[in-house]
Amino acid sequence: DSGVTQTPKHLITATGQRVTLRCSPRSGDLSVYWYQQSLDQGLQFLIQYYNGEERAKGNILERFSAQQFPDLHSELNLSSLELGDSALYFCASSVGWNQPQHFGDGTRLSIL
Amino acid sequence: QKEVEQDPGPLSVPEGAIVSLNCTYSNSAFQYFMWYRQYSRKGPELLMYTYSSGNKEDGRFTAQVDKSSKYISLFIRDSQPSDSATYLCAMSDPQAGTALIFGKGTTLSVSS
Repeated sequence: DSGVTQTPKHLITATGQRVTLRCSPRSGDLSVYWYQQSLDQGLQFLIQYYNGEERAKGNILERFSAQQFPDLHSELNLSSLELGDSALYFCASSVGWNQPQHFGDGTRLSIL
Repeated sequence: QKEVEQDPGPLSVPEGAIVSLNCTYSNSAFQYFMWYRQYSRKGPELLMYTYSSGNKEDGRFTAQVDKSSKYISLFIRDSQPSDSATYLCAMSDPQAGTALIFGKGTTLSVSS
């Protein structure tokens, strides 16, 4: 158990809908990262937050947004969903800068 | 050319064999190198974390980094059926941020 908790484990929804994925980092970790894993692209970095502030952005679509709350949990919001958004979404956390990242077990998003 | 290349396998070995997993990369700015293990329907689990060149050993696992060749390896000694999983290499450039760049993973199967 990595200590990173993600909910829900599985989401099934339709095109055009909006969903929210939640992540609770390991106790003491200030950084939260979101990654997307698909069969063709592998694991791709989306966005990072550190102690409530956005610190880095990767290949995140404009339809996607995230935030980190004062209690350090984070949410990833995906809107206007398309079939191609079906993937595994992972959250990772670390103590700080350039420290090992520990991953949760992900949320499997299926768009019908 | 992708930043990180990893042979997807699959790699099949008998129990007790020595396994060698490898990644090559193109960005000479990468300084941090990691190996993750991912079981089906689970998140990546951090196995090894190294900074710059050299070797690091942890139990049956040895990580090697050769920055001059832009080549990293993970060796698994006395492989066990429980080692059957997908192994992902990851790396980061501390000057560009802390996002991890992943290889696509090598699937390993250890038969008893």
